[in-house]
Amino acid sequence: ILNVEQSPQSLHVQEGDSTNFTCSFPSSNFYALHWYRWETAKSPEALFVMTLNGDEKKKGRISATLNTKEGYSYLYIKGSQPEDSATYLCAFPGSARQLTFGSGTQLTVLP
Amino acid sequence: DAGVIQSPRHEVTEMGQEVTLRCKPISGHDYLFWYRQTMMRGLELLIYFNNNVPIDDSGMPEDRFSAKMPNASFSTLKIQPSEPRDSAVYFCASSLDKTGNSPLHFGNGTRLTVT
Repeated sequence: ILNVEQSPQSLHVQEGDSTNFTCSFPSSNFYALHWYRWETAKSPEALFVMTLNGDEKKKGRISATLNTKEGYSYLYIKGSQPEDSATYLCAFPGSARQLTFGSGTQLTVLP
Repeated sequence: DAGVIQSPRHEVTEMGQEVTLRCKPISGHDYLFWYRQTMMRGLELLIYFNNNVPIDDSGMPEDRFSAKMPNASFSTLKIQPSEPRDSAVYFCASSLDKTGNSPLHFGNGTRLTVT
């Protein structure tokens, strides 16, 4: 069983604040790291698939970095808006390439 | 592309009844996954198919659960007989490949309530 951990479990920030959260995963046999955004009453939507150590991906105000040697990825949101409120999931494919999801970070952006 | 389509969106049934959930993956995606979301366990993989063939069903909780994929554009997840502890949101997802490089595309889910 793969250990994919996310922290914090939940987070409240004020509109306009920047924030970040962490995903840690096994550093051996790294293949890829996925980030998904999951809004309430909707389905998870892919944000990034990261494969290279040192990779940095960006989508609007959201960006992510990857450190495969130490087994962590950060997701950053710059200037949070209420519409950024969602659960952010990371997922790690094991040796069989099936994704194991973390438990997510639930972000609430207060207006 | 309409994305991954699941039906029904909501299903309420009585304990002991048979439940069938349906999924249409994105055309051209070779992999189809069934996930279950619960408060206790989060998103857990039940089974996945490659080119319509079940590859790993180790996540299926017990024999009451079965899944089929008769063709590239349709899959079903069946629970017979259903029990209250099966209440959850069931997601279907598809991807171009299983190498880990391709993101999953999720359907809107089926919220199952077994009373």
